[in-house]
Amino acid sequence: EDQVTQSPEALRLQEGESSSLNCSYTVSGLRGLFWYRQDPGKGPEFLFTLYSAGEEKEKERLKATLTKKESFLHITAPKPEDSATYLCAVQGYSNAGGTSYGKLTFGQGTILTVHP
Amino acid sequence: NAGVTQTPKFQVLKTGQSMTLQCAQDMNHNSMYWYRQDPGMGLRLIYYSASEGTTDKGEVPNGYNVSRLNKREFSLRLESAAPSQTSVYFCASRVEPPPAKNIQYFGAGTRLSVL
Repeated sequence: EDQVTQSPEALRLQEGESSSLNCSYTVSGLRGLFWYRQDPGKGPEFLFTLYSAGEEKEKERLKATLTKKESFLHITAPKPEDSATYLCAVQGYSNAGGTSYGKLTFGQGTILTVHP
Repeated sequence: NAGVTQTPKFQVLKTGQSMTLQCAQDMNHNSMYWYRQDPGMGLRLIYYSASEGTTDKGEVPNGYNVSRLNKREFSLRLESAAPSQTSVYFCASRVEPPPAKNIQYFGAGTRLSVL
């Protein structure tokens, strides 16, 4: 069974204070690792997908990296508008099934608060 | 382009009442999903539909039924609501490969309370 664990559960930063969020996973063959952002009262918003160890993706102040056991979401010089819950999810080959239905296994998320 | 639209946004039910949560997507995606999100539990898959006319159970299907009405619409029904079904429900649809592999896009959610 695929498992995803995110740490820390909550992170408070000062504006401009860079840090990283961790996503550890176990999966029987990784088809993809996904990062989402979720604002209060809204649905998850897609940020990145990573498919193989060593891959990196960047978007503004965010950079996602992937190893065989974990992914990091690096936040450089964060701003208050980066405050949100960040969700990590994996899709494994064990979830693909005959129809490749794309089941995602989510972690519990990291609540990021950036103070001005 | 609205993406994934869910109705209603909020609902309060009494134990034993029934209701249907509606979801529609305008992105021409084949696969659609229903998740529930509870504090400390992450998002858990209730049911999914790989294509029009097919549905299958996810991790937590008990107490729910679904209907894939057509390619655009995928509804979730609670036949006899229980307090344990108090949650936030999200519908999603999936871009299929290639080139954007397996990315799921989510609606804004339905916040359901069962008293």
